Amino acid sequence: DTAVSQTPKYLVTQMGNDKSIKCEQNLGHDTMYWYKQDSKKFLKIMFSYNNKELIINETVPNRFSPKSPDKAHLNLHINSLELGDSAVYFCASSQDRGNTGELFFGEGSRLTVL
Amino acid sequence: GQSLEQPSEVTAVEGAIVQINCTYQTSGFYGLSWYQQHDGGAPTFLSYNALDGLEETGRFSSFLSRSDSYGYLLLQELQMKDSASYFCAVRDSTNAGKSTFGDGTTLTVKP
Repeated sequence: DTAVSQTPKYLVTQMGNDKSIKCEQNLGHDTMYWYKQDSKKFLKIMFSYNNKELIINETVPNRFSPKSPDKAHLNLHINSLELGDSAVYFCASSQDRGNTGELFFGEGSRLTVL
Repeated sequence: GQSLEQPSEVTAVEGAIVQINCTYQTSGFYGLSWYQQHDGGAPTFLSYNALDGLEETGRFSSFLSRSDSYGYLLLQELQMKDSASYFCAVRDSTNAGKSTFGDGTTLTVKP
């Protein structure tokens, strides 16, 4: 069983569209994250939820809206997609806000905006 | 805020030892983690240092000096499969334990 799974793995869409990425973890962790990795491989945190509560909200356009229906799931919805949104989006989870220093990453969702 | 510096590229030969340094500036500090990422893959956790000193896990070791805001990842007996990107990440004590990643070091291992 995959520990942190994201769907879809690949997403190709047109500018202006709205899309969602879903993430689920079966590790029993209480904290989940969205990271964005651009073409230069820079890995930047976007959001984090702890027990369904938003605890980290970086400077991200409000076209990006995360939702955590329960502590095992964290989704990312993106409105009015722009070319610059093309990236790999990684979901991650940890226990106790990353107290052990370890984040478990999903395989990533590669978003291409045309 | 946080900032981290690590070399962008390192090249070494099989069987050699390589050290990837990371210096950081942060308003609050819990610890320093290291991750490995192969092309097209996900970052995977290698090690975490919360206290000063050396942590060893097989061929990989990680070191931290909190007073110098400095750490390094040491890879011994390099193998071709170690070619990957390596990221240091600081866990921030002032912002919900947020982990901020460095820009990554691309390690190329040559025969």
